[in-house]
Amino acid sequence: DVKVTQSSRYLVKRTGEKVFLECVQDMDHENMFWYRQDPGLGLRLIYFSYDVKMKEKGDIPEGYSVSREKKERFSLILESASTNQTSMYLCASNGGSKTQYFGPGTRLLVL
Amino acid sequence: QQQVKQSPQSLIVQKGGISIINCAYENTAFDYFPWYQQFPGKGPALLIAIRPDVSEKKEGRFTISFNKSAKQFSLHIMDSQPGDSATYFCAAREAGGGNKLTFGTGTQLKVEL
Repeated sequence: DVKVTQSSRYLVKRTGEKVFLECVQDMDHENMFWYRQDPGLGLRLIYFSYDVKMKEKGDIPEGYSVSREKKERFSLILESASTNQTSMYLCASNGGSKTQYFGPGTRLLVL
Repeated sequence: QQQVKQSPQSLIVQKGGISIINCAYENTAFDYFPWYQQFPGKGPALLIAIRPDVSEKKEGRFTISFNKSAKQFSLHIMDSQPGDSATYFCAAREAGGGNKLTFGTGTQLKVEL
């Protein structure tokens, strides 16, 4: 079974802090994605990566950056957290098939 | 700009009833339409998917109906069960867009006894 793990289930951070969200997949997938999930807005794509060191902006990249130094790991970085970044963050990966496999999510609260 | 519009936002169905969730899209370059199911505390998981050259796909109690001319597709859950209570997302993939998906806003389904 494909497994996508996220480093934290819950995080509480202060405004202005730098925040790292980590995602690891164990199926040698080329593609990895970061979404945020908000009520009434669904899943919105922040960034995705189709190879190591490659990244592309999604629909809402402002305030975020990403890093993919190894194939299995995709990190989302909030350079200076703000309250409007309080959300559920979901990581996903896929390889040869169209199916995206999601991690359990990280619920981030920015105070 | 919302490329995939989903309705309703929430739905309550009695056990044994039919749950219907609808999605509409504008981008004719979309070539793959999956539905994802999400239980509380979990990430979404693929439930069923369809390509636009097929009008219907059925897997157990779950059916996707696809209307290419109307640019609409829907999920039907027959004989709905309390265990089906979850949030459902429709999505679409653009041909040539890699494996990016555009998701709808989600439908929270509750199946009551």
